[in-house]
Amino acid sequence: GESVGLHLPTLSVQEGDNSIINCAYSNSASDYFIWYKQESGKGPQFIIDIRSNMDKRQGQRVTVLLNKTVKHLSLQIAATQPGDSAVYFCAENTGNQFYFGTGTSLTVIP
Amino acid sequence: GAVVSQHPSRVICKSGTSVKIECRSLDFQATTMFWYRQFPKQSLMLMATSNEGSKATYEQGVEKDKFLINHASLTLSTLTVTSAHPEDSSFYICSATQGNGNTIYFGEGSWLTVV
Repeated sequence: GESVGLHLPTLSVQEGDNSIINCAYSNSASDYFIWYKQESGKGPQFIIDIRSNMDKRQGQRVTVLLNKTVKHLSLQIAATQPGDSAVYFCAENTGNQFYFGTGTSLTVIP
Repeated sequence: GAVVSQHPSRVICKSGTSVKIECRSLDFQATTMFWYRQFPKQSLMLMATSNEGSKATYEQGVEKDKFLINHASLTLSTLTVTSAHPEDSSFYICSATQGNGNTIYFGEGSWLTVV
């Protein structure tokens, strides 16, 4: 199957700083990407998505950047808060399948 | 926003018994539902993809006779773990989508403990 990998398994940031979580994908035909947040013991929650005809999309405190040339996706969280501590997954949509990365564990230090 | 509900959220069963987990899309019709398994501190592992009214497509290494999936309607899919063993203990998560190019939404997950 297709692979979606994350560069860093863990990330620690100081409260109030910005966080950047990266993701590499392998299928250049993928046209839809999603970021999810998963808190311990819970199902993943949708954060933000982006389609391949865009290179940037902003939400509330979050921005997703898509670089199709190098097949790279990133999630930026502004003014990171303790409640942002979780595992973050990226996913790519190819046809009717979604493939997930291994996840990055974000820890926010108060 | 779209909601996917899983039930039960936690279940304990005895070895050798079967247990059913339900996944419902509450405010949209899900043409496709997915079932995942997740071990602690690991990523989601896709078990199978099910489309309403047809047989599920299982990922390599997933025993279809052990993990029975039924997608009887556009809002309900069930996963039945048959003849459960302690090694089947895990966090099982479902997700649902309206189809190609649509967001996929996840249930809250179900903790299965086999004793």
